[in-house]
Amino acid sequence: EAQVTQNPRYLITVTGKKLTVTCSQNMNHEYMSWYRQDPGLGLRQIYYSMNVEVTDKGDVPEGYKVSRKEKRNFPLILESPSPNQTSLYFCASSRMVRETQYFGPGTRLLVL
Amino acid sequence: AQSVTQLDSQVPVFEEAPVELRCNYSSSVSVYLFWYVQYPNQGLQLLLKYLSGSTLVKGINGFEAEFNKSQTSFHLRKPSVHISDTAEYFCAVSARNGFNKFYFGSGTKLNVKP
Repeated sequence: EAQVTQNPRYLITVTGKKLTVTCSQNMNHEYMSWYRQDPGLGLRQIYYSMNVEVTDKGDVPEGYKVSRKEKRNFPLILESPSPNQTSLYFCASSRMVRETQYFGPGTRLLVL
Repeated sequence: AQSVTQLDSQVPVFEEAPVELRCNYSSSVSVYLFWYVQYPNQGLQLLLKYLSGSTLVKGINGFEAEFNKSQTSFHLRKPSVHISDTAEYFCAVSARNGFNKFYFGSGTKLNVKP
C-alpha cells in the first residue's frame, strides 16, 4: 500500500530536550516536505527536499533541522524544542512539486 | 513569494444545498493551484489541481474549481453537498518558476447540516 508514515504520532516533551520525528514514504517520490498546522493559520511549510541531499527552507524553518540521506526518509529534528513549537506536524511526499502530495497521518507535539 | 487568502473561516450549509468556498492568491509569477481536504483527525488529501489548460477543473467527490487569472481566484464549488463533505478545506499555491515552496491558506471549515 502506498503510504507516508510518521512516528511518533503523539509526543509530549519538555523544553530543550532534543527530539526527532521520522517520516518515510514507499512511493519513490523525489519531493518531500514538512508542515506544521496551527489553528487559524492553516499549514505552513517548514522544510522541503527535492531529492537526496537537497533540502531547502520553507516559510517557517527557525528551530528545525532536516536531513535527506535516503530517498524514502525525511526526518524532522528539533534540537532544542520550545513551547511555541507545540503543533500538529505533517510530512508529505510527491513525485514532483506540481504533482499530488500524499500526507502522513500527523504527529501531535506538545512542548512543556 | 506567494500567499493565499481564504476569506471564510467557517461555512455552514444545509445538506443538498450548493456551496462555494473562496480562495484568492497573490503572486508575481504564474502558479499551480490546489485544493486539499482534511477530514477530522486525518491528514490532507487532494481534491483537485490546476496546472494549465482549461480553467474549469473537476475533482473528486463532485467538486470543481475555476481558475480566474484576472481576479487571482480559485474558488471551489459543489452543486449539492452531503453530510460526508463536512471537513476543512485548504487552498494552496506553488510557483511555476522552479521555486519549490508551497503556501497554504488558513482553511475553511465546511459544516453540512441535515
